[in-house]
Amino acid sequence: DAGVIQSPRHEVTEMGQEVTLRCKPISGHDYLFWYRQTMMRGLELLIYFNNNVPIDDSGMPEDRFSAKMPNASFSTLKIQPSEPRDSAVYFCASSHDTELAGGPETQYFGPGTRLLVL
Amino acid sequence: RKEVEQDPGPFNVPEGATVAFNCTYSNSASQSFFWYRQDCRKEPKLLMSVYSSGNEDGRFTAQLNRASQYISLLIRDSKLSDSATYLCATSNTGKLIFGQGTTLQVKP
Repeated sequence: DAGVIQSPRHEVTEMGQEVTLRCKPISGHDYLFWYRQTMMRGLELLIYFNNNVPIDDSGMPEDRFSAKMPNASFSTLKIQPSEPRDSAVYFCASSHDTELAGGPETQYFGPGTRLLVL
Repeated sequence: RKEVEQDPGPFNVPEGATVAFNCTYSNSASQSFFWYRQDCRKEPKLLMSVYSSGNEDGRFTAQLNRASQYISLLIRDSKLSDSATYLCATSNTGKLIFGQGTTLQVKP
């Protein structure tokens, strides 16, 4: 089975540009999570969706960040305009809310997108 | 203060050694606890859930102490392949809060 797919794997952009990160969760999973990881702050949850509906976006740093999940197999995280402090690895993860699957906390992470904003 | 705290290490141990990591959490309402493993420049992967009664998976043992609000991970007979960063995580409402991670280097 395919795991969580993220694209692009690497992105280098200039300050002020729009950046769009993409994620395809594991088929059948009903939770999708966006995380950001930096050396200074560690792994932080930005937003998560359940059945395509945003449940908690309290981790989204500011209005420059937005996330959408138009259907069960696709989500985007957009940064507009990007700033150098947005440089980080952005992970998407998905999970399935059943006891057999271990609950929503048993998350499967994608390989991440390494973003560098110059 | 971070909600989940870990000693970042690194812990440098020889092969075959036993090593233990602790992780403290501040939210007493936390209900679920986990250890994730992250290899260098890779994504985190679930290592094991932590149950109230403690649980073991091969060379790995996880313990939970609710009174003192910490979880631990014990690795016996360390292998070179155990070198990684170990992230603890807590959950209250279905979302995970991660610690900064503890780096383990197993030396030959």
